[in-house]
Amino acid sequence: EIVMTQSPATLSVSPGERATLSCRASQSVSSNLAWYQQKPGQAPRLLIYGASTRATGIPARFSGSGSGTEFTLTISSLQSEDFAVYYCQQYNNWPLTFGPGTKVDIK
Amino acid sequence: EVQLLESGGGLVQPGGSLRLSCAASGFTFSSYAMSWVRQAPGKGLEWVSAISGSGGSTYYADSVKGRFTISRDNSKNTLYLQMNSLRAEDTAVYYCAKALWSGYQNDAFDIWGQGTMVTVSS
Repeated sequence: EIVMTQSPATLSVSPGERATLSCRASQSVSSNLAWYQQKPGQAPRLLIYGASTRATGIPARFSGSGSGTEFTLTISSLQSEDFAVYYCQQYNNWPLTFGPGTKVDIK
Repeated sequence: EVQLLESGGGLVQPGGSLRLSCAASGFTFSSYAMSWVRQAPGKGLEWVSAISGSGGSTYYADSVKGRFTISRDNSKNTLYLQMNSLRAEDTAVYYCAKALWSGYQNDAFDIWGQGTMVTVSS
C-alpha cells in the first residue's frame, strides 16, 4: 500500500497570503495525484488532478505541482472561502489512498 | 446536473448488516467506475471499494475485504455497498464518488454524494 503523508498538519495563514501545502508518497505515483478541499459538513471537492490540472470551475489561484513522490498545492492569495481541510490522494495503485489532510485556518 | 444521492445509512449493532445505495443522475452511469469512500467522525478520508463501469471488476480496501460487497445496477443507475459483520470501527459517513474519466478504474473523483452516516453501536 502506498502511504501518503501531508505537511504541515495545520497551516495558519492570513487572508491574501500565499499557502503552500506538501504531500509525499511512499513510492512513486507518477502524476496520478489529486487534491481535494473539504469544508465542515460538506463532501470533498476535487481541486487538482494529474498533479497539476485544475478541475472544472476551480479558480486559478489554486495550482499543483510535482511528480513521483513529492507534490505541492499552492493557493496564491487566500480568500475567506479557502479556509478548509485539504487532502491529497494517489490513484496510481490499488488500494487508492489519501493523505491525512492539512487544515488551513485563519491566522 | 450531475448528481449522486446516497441512502441506507443508520444505526446497526456490531455484527449486523446494512446496504447502502447511491442513485446517480446527469451522466452515462455505465461508462464510469464508481467508488465508496468513508470518513470516521473527526477523521480523514478512507477509500473503501471501487467497481468498474460494467461491474466486472471490483476492488476493496483490506479493512473491509470479505465483509463488504460493492455492486451496481446500470439499468437503475444505482451503486450499492452491502456491509456485513459490521464493527464499531466501520462507523463513518459513507460517500459514493464518480471517477473523473470514462473507462478509468483507478482515478480521481470529480463528483461526490452528500454522504450517509453509518453508526455501529450496541
